[in-house]
Amino acid sequence: QITLKESGPTLVKPTQTLTLTCTSPGFGASGSAEGVGWIRQPPGKALEWLALIYGDGGEHYSPSLKTRLFITKDSSTDQVVLTMTNMDPMDTGTYFCAHFKSYYYDSRGFSVDALIMWGQGTMVTVSS
Amino acid sequence: DIQMTQSPSSLSASVGDRVTITCRASQNIYNYVSWYQCRPGKAPKILIYAASSLQSGVPSRFSGSGYGTDFTLTISSLQPEDFATYFCQQSYSPYTFGQGTNLDIK
Repeated sequence: QITLKESGPTLVKPTQTLTLTCTSPGFGASGSAEGVGWIRQPPGKALEWLALIYGDGGEHYSPSLKTRLFITKDSSTDQVVLTMTNMDPMDTGTYFCAHFKSYYYDSRGFSVDALIMWGQGTMVTVSS
Repeated sequence: DIQMTQSPSSLSASVGDRVTITCRASQNIYNYVSWYQCRPGKAPKILIYAASSLQSGVPSRFSGSGYGTDFTLTISSLQPEDFATYFCQQSYSPYTFGQGTNLDIK
């Protein structure tokens, strides 16, 4: 069974760049039907999807944050890394990585997919 | 972005109760909806995908329904471990989540 674990700094200063790592031993996705996504949750607020990288290396970003995000993967180490630039106190929250799976493509040609396995998350505080 | 309006934001119920949580999308999203359960300090867990498909290993007391803009998650008989926060998510374009429903013990 796939497991995921997030790691990274617990505290960053405003304007700094955040680098988070998701480690998923045994996850060797190489196609577009699987991948790893990042999601965050500010304290007391809703989940917000950030970025996704497919097994074939394709990337997908939240339109509102795409200028600040970069996602990459290293299949040899089963790690996916998310960087977020110009951090702000509003970026404080719990950051999750999750395994993305496309179950099938329907008659409209759309992927029926979901985030089927999540890590426990890592709390990041942005403060000077 | 597609908005997902989830209701209620909080709900109190007892073990054995039947509860329903709803999500309304700001536009037609067909059946591209998933539901997740979140407990403090634990990894979120998928319950339902494609609006009504039960994820493998999830108890059958959980069910989902809906198509187009209106979706529901139903728990037929609440168990102690079901008291948690629930989120809907649309995967039509791009991914967005509902605001969450906090389900606690009455």
